Amino acid sequence: QVQLVQSGAEVKKSGASVKVSCKASGYTFSGYYMYWVRQAPGQGLEWMGWINPNSGGTNYAQKFQGRVTMTRDTSISTAYMELSSLRSDDLAVYYCAKSRGWGQLDYWGQGTLVTVSS
Amino acid sequence: QSALTQPASVSGSPGQSITISCTGTSSDVGGYDYVSWYQQHPGKAPKVMIYDVTNRPSGVSNRFSGSKSGNTASLTISGLQAEDEADYYCSSYISSGTVVFGGGTKLTVL
Repeated sequence: QVQLVQSGAEVKKSGASVKVSCKASGYTFSGYYMYWVRQAPGQGLEWMGWINPNSGGTNYAQKFQGRVTMTRDTSISTAYMELSSLRSDDLAVYYCAKSRGWGQLDYWGQGTLVTVSS
Repeated sequence: QSALTQPASVSGSPGQSITISCTGTSSDVGGYDYVSWYQQHPGKAPKVMIYDVTNRPSGVSNRFSGSKSGNTASLTISGLQAEDEADYYCSSYISSGTVVFGGGTKLTVL
């Protein structure tokens, strides 16, 4: 069965960076784009970007351009999302999600809470 | 890209049917048949309920159905059950793999 298992909660200082991992199993990792979506407390879902695990190609939402980097390690079927220059409004749960195509997300990780402290 | 427009809340009694709308533009909802609906219970990850406007993943109850007319997509839940109480989000493909989400709708089962 498809599973996406994310790394644990993080507490970071304002201005620091955070790197969240997402280990995939149960399907061909390189065959499907991996999306990253975040959700601030009490708020809706926000698309951050995607990575093509096969080529390493990425597409980031304009809002995060210059601050986000998505990478992957195909040898261990793991995708990563690094967000830099953290600020208080980056407090959110960050999800990875497998795309079945055309941005439609059929499996989600359990989420990783990132807390930013001053 | 602006978020898709959903009602903030809807409610219904057990056994009734409700419909949640998701309004976009010709550049998103109206331009592609790649609308998805997600259910999210408190503290849980979203779960896909509908994809490609009308398709249900295996394991999702046939009480859930999707449709689209012009720039507005809709999710209908028939035979409401207590377990359906959750937040629901729509999303649409835009271009180059970009997606936009709706603001979310809180469904209350009375």
